[in-house]
Amino acid sequence: NAGVMQNPRHLVRRRGQEARLRCSPVKGHSHVYWYRQLPEEGLKFMVYLQKENIIDESGMPKERFSAEFPKEGPSILRIQQVVRGDSAAYFCASSAQGRGGDGYTFGSGTRLTVV
Amino acid sequence: KQEVTQIPAALSVPEGENLVLNCSFTDSAIYNLQWFRQDPGKGLTSLLLIQSSQREQTSGRLNASLDKSSGRSTLYIAASQPGDSATYLCAVINSGSARQLTFGSGTQLTVLP
Repeated sequence: NAGVMQNPRHLVRRRGQEARLRCSPVKGHSHVYWYRQLPEEGLKFMVYLQKENIIDESGMPKERFSAEFPKEGPSILRIQQVVRGDSAAYFCASSAQGRGGDGYTFGSGTRLTVV
Repeated sequence: KQEVTQIPAALSVPEGENLVLNCSFTDSAIYNLQWFRQDPGKGLTSLLLIQSSQREQTSGRLNASLDKSSGRSTLYIAASQPGDSATYLCAVINSGSARQLTFGSGTQLTVLP
């Protein structure tokens, strides 16, 4: 039973390019969450999705960032026109129940470097 | 707004010692609290989940306690080993409609052989 799978593990983008980060939740989990860990900072919530719905995007920057969790396939976090300040580790988590009543399982993260 | 604080920020102990990591939160209306471990450059590994109605959880050499009224949780590690070296993160989810985890900044633990 695979855990949360994130890819790629490392991603390098030049300023102005697009970054697409993928997350496949634990099999049977329908709740997905994205968190960002900036260098020397703690983990911050970005967005919470269920299949085909964004439930809470209060932590998502208003511009350039978007997320989806389609009916089929992984959840995607998309960052358009990346800037150096987007360099961070992006973690995806999933849970079987909403609001993490059963706790959260995290992936290994995608480390984005913008050059 | 919920704030989570972890003390100490860093801790270095010799192998075999028992140790306690502290976590405090400002809003006692929590739904659950979860302790994680993060190794350098890696993801988060869940250690223990405590529901708001529980006082403690145990797994092997780890014991986590929760005192909602005082806004505190502790993670107790018995007979520490060098393999326990990592950053330990405390995270809470509130009872309200918000669904996100609020994380502390972590305690960086080094166990010396």
